[in-house]
Order: sequence, then structure tokens, then C-alpha cells
Amino acid sequence: GNSVTQMEGPVTLSEEAFLTINCTYTATGYPSLFWYVQYPGEGLQLLLKATKADDKGSNKGFEATYRKETTSFHLEKGSVQVSDSAVYFCALKNTGNQFYFGTGTSLTVIP
Amino acid sequence: NAGVTQTPKFRILKIGQSMTLQCTQDMNHNYMYWYRQDPGMGLKLIYYSVGAGITDKGEVPNGYNVSRSTTEDFPLRLELAAPSQTSVYFCASSPQGAGTEAFFGQGTRLTVV
Repeated sequence: GNSVTQMEGPVTLSEEAFLTINCTYTATGYPSLFWYVQYPGEGLQLLLKATKADDKGSNKGFEATYRKETTSFHLEKGSVQVSDSAVYFCALKNTGNQFYFGTGTSLTVIP
Repeated sequence: NAGVTQTPKFRILKIGQSMTLQCTQDMNHNYMYWYRQDPGMGLKLIYYSVGAGITDKGEVPNGYNVSRSTTEDFPLRLELAAPSQTSVYFCASSPQGAGTEAFFGQGTRLTVV
């Protein structure tokens, strides 16, 4: 089947700290992988994506690499800001156009 | 570009009442989805549609109904509301094809009392 497992939260970091949020997946076939971000009171917004093995998605200083050998898509950022405080969701899209989401990781960045 | 628009943003229902959550998209996407988001539980798929006239159940369809008479609209109907349906509901749309992302509405926060 298809599923996404991501790091439990909440995560609290000081400004300028390094961020990693782990995400692993199980899928049949060759899925596309996504990271979404949700700010309080809003819907999910696409942060970055990767569509095949070894692709690196990047946006706003965030990066994630599609690792087929470890079935992972970990989110990283070198220096977080207070404005990065949000909930982050890892997701996959299978060949049937279905999305599967992780449970979300809440990030709080303190000044 | 409006994207995916959901109405209402907030609603309080009494047990046993019914309501329709509206969702419309202006991107001509084939695929549309309804999710519910409960605290700490991520998103669960309620129903989805692959095009006008075609709908199918997701993971948690009980207590809900949908229709897709046009490409743009995908309303979600709650019949006989129950406290277990208290949640935040998100509508999303996506073009067909690998690598294409889902676009989300702002959500509807529903409380059943």
C-alpha cells in the first residue's frame, strides 16, 4: 500500500538553527513526493516537490532529496527564521493520482 | 487567480442538522478531493472525483455525500450532523499526472454541538 511516516512533533528551535524533519514513505510504483506547509488558520501550500529518484526540491531555503534507496524525503533548512513557524506535511502522489499525507510536524522557532 | 474557494469559513451546527460545504476551483483541474483534518491526525480523505459525474469514496466517507455536476464545483453534504464530524474540512484540486501538486482551499472549520 501507500503511506507516509513523518517525524513526530512538536519541534522547537532557536532562530538560525538547522532544521531536519524526517519523512519516509511506502509506495507501489514510482510516486512523486511533496512537502506542504500550513500556517495557522490557513490551508496547505506547496513548499517543494520532487518527481523522481535523486531529484532535489528546493524553495525559500528549504530542501529535500528524493532517496529511493532509503524511501525517504527529509526536509532541511540551514537557518530557520521565526516566520518558518508552521506545520509541515510530507506527502506522496501515486500513479492513481491519489495523495497520501503524513500526520504533520509542528515547528516553532523562537527568537 | 482565485484557485480553490471554500465556503463557509466557519459554521456551528446542531446535532442532526444538515449542511453543504461548497468548493469551487477555476483551474480546470480534473481531480478534486475532500479531506478532514483532526488535531494531530493529519488529513483523511473523505471523497474524491476524477471528473464531472464521477465520484468515489475515500478513507472516511460515512456520514457524507458528494456530487460533481461540473468540473468547477465539488460540494460536500453532511446529513444528520454528529459531534464526531467536528473538524476542519479542506477541499483540494489537482491536474492529472505524476508530479502535479494539489491546490488547497482555506478550509471550513465545522463544530457540531
